[in-house]
Amino acid sequence: KQEVTQIPAALSVPEGENLVLNCSFTDSAIYNLQWFRQDPGKGLTSLLLIQSSQREQTSGRLNASLDKSSGRSTLYIAASQPGDSATYLCAVGPNQAGTALIFGKGTTLSVSS
Amino acid sequence: GAVVSQHPSRVICKSGTSVKIECRSLDFQATTMFWYRQFPKQSLMLMATSNEGSKATYEQGVEKDKFLINHASLTLSTLTVTSAHPEDSSFYICSAPSGQRSNQPQHFGDGTRLSIL
Repeated sequence: KQEVTQIPAALSVPEGENLVLNCSFTDSAIYNLQWFRQDPGKGLTSLLLIQSSQREQTSGRLNASLDKSSGRSTLYIAASQPGDSATYLCAVGPNQAGTALIFGKGTTLSVSS
Repeated sequence: GAVVSQHPSRVICKSGTSVKIECRSLDFQATTMFWYRQFPKQSLMLMATSNEGSKATYEQGVEKDKFLINHASLTLSTLTVTSAHPEDSSFYICSAPSGQRSNQPQHFGDGTRLSIL
């Protein structure tokens, strides 16, 4: 059974710092991996999607990497801003298209000004 | 881009009430939609898979008679929480895959905060 773990559970940094959020999964047979952002009491905003054949994806100040063989992904946030404060969720797509995602518990990020 | 609309965003009601939540794909067709539940400080847990034209598939431990799912069309799935009780209070959120290829993300609604008094 696929399990997704995110470390740390919470992170506080001052504005301007670069930071890394970690995600690990137990079964390397994944289809893709998505990183989401969730603001308190809100839904999910998709940040990046990495296909199983890819190593990384970038969008603005965000960079996500994927090492399928070791069951790890990282989300790198450059030059953090207070507006980045949210919970970041990692989710893996099992080894076929169109199936439900399996989520980690998330990392709650707080960026202070 | 693809958008999923979920309604209502918040419900507060008395114990014993049935509550219907709608999930619509606005600019794409979704033969499959997913319903998740999220308790405070917990991950999203899949409740059921909604299939257009056939019965929903429920995850282990989810009561199908309590959480009724109807996939009425290629753009609409509804979740009805029947005779809701305080323990059903949670954040419910739906999603739909925008396609069958690995580079096509799943899109999520904004969620429904259900509070049963």
